[in-house]
Amino acid sequence: AQSVTQLDSHVSVSEGTPVLLRCNYSSSYSPSLFWYVQHPNKGLQLLLKYTSAATLVKGINGFEAEFKKSETSFHLTKPSAHMSDAAEYFCVVNTDKLIFGTGTRLQVFP
Amino acid sequence: DAGVIQSPRHEVTEMGQEVTLRCKPISGHDYLFWYRQTMMRGLELLIYFNNNVPIDDSGMPEDRFSAKMPNASFSTLKIQPSEPRDSAVYFCASSLATGDYYEQYFGPGTRLTVT
Repeated sequence: AQSVTQLDSHVSVSEGTPVLLRCNYSSSYSPSLFWYVQHPNKGLQLLLKYTSAATLVKGINGFEAEFKKSETSFHLTKPSAHMSDAAEYFCVVNTDKLIFGTGTRLQVFP
Repeated sequence: DAGVIQSPRHEVTEMGQEVTLRCKPISGHDYLFWYRQTMMRGLELLIYFNNNVPIDDSGMPEDRFSAKMPNASFSTLKIQPSEPRDSAVYFCASSLATGDYYEQYFGPGTRLTVT
């Protein structure tokens, strides 16, 4: 069975410092992986996706993620956090439907 | 484009009452998904439609839940009778088959509270 594990339920950073949100996946074959973002009281928005093309994927708002098969990881990064990045982030794996991780809440302090 | 529209945004009801949640997908999208989000269980897919036809309803919790899509621009999720454990945020999402199936566009959600 395919699944994703988000290793941190909360991450706090200062504005201007790097962001790292960790995700590990479990899959019997090469998966499609995604990151979605949910701002408070809003629906989810696709941030970026990996579908077996380039292993380094760039998304919106300066985010990127790297697919590492040897580590079964798909961590989300951003070089410099903005206050507007504060939100909940979901790592998602595709089976015949999307399976969402439990989410990581990102706080950004001024 | 107005995006995916859901109504109501908030619903408070008493246990045993019928609740109907509504969704208007993005025009031209032919997939529609209903999700439920709770603190305990996270985000769960309840059911999805393709061209108005239900494809997978294995996530629907029990017979108290039903969903319909009478046309390409409207879907409902009904709970009858409602129970306190149904309290959650319910999201509707849509996507385009000829585009990227997984790029689902989510509505703002309906926050349901059953007392």
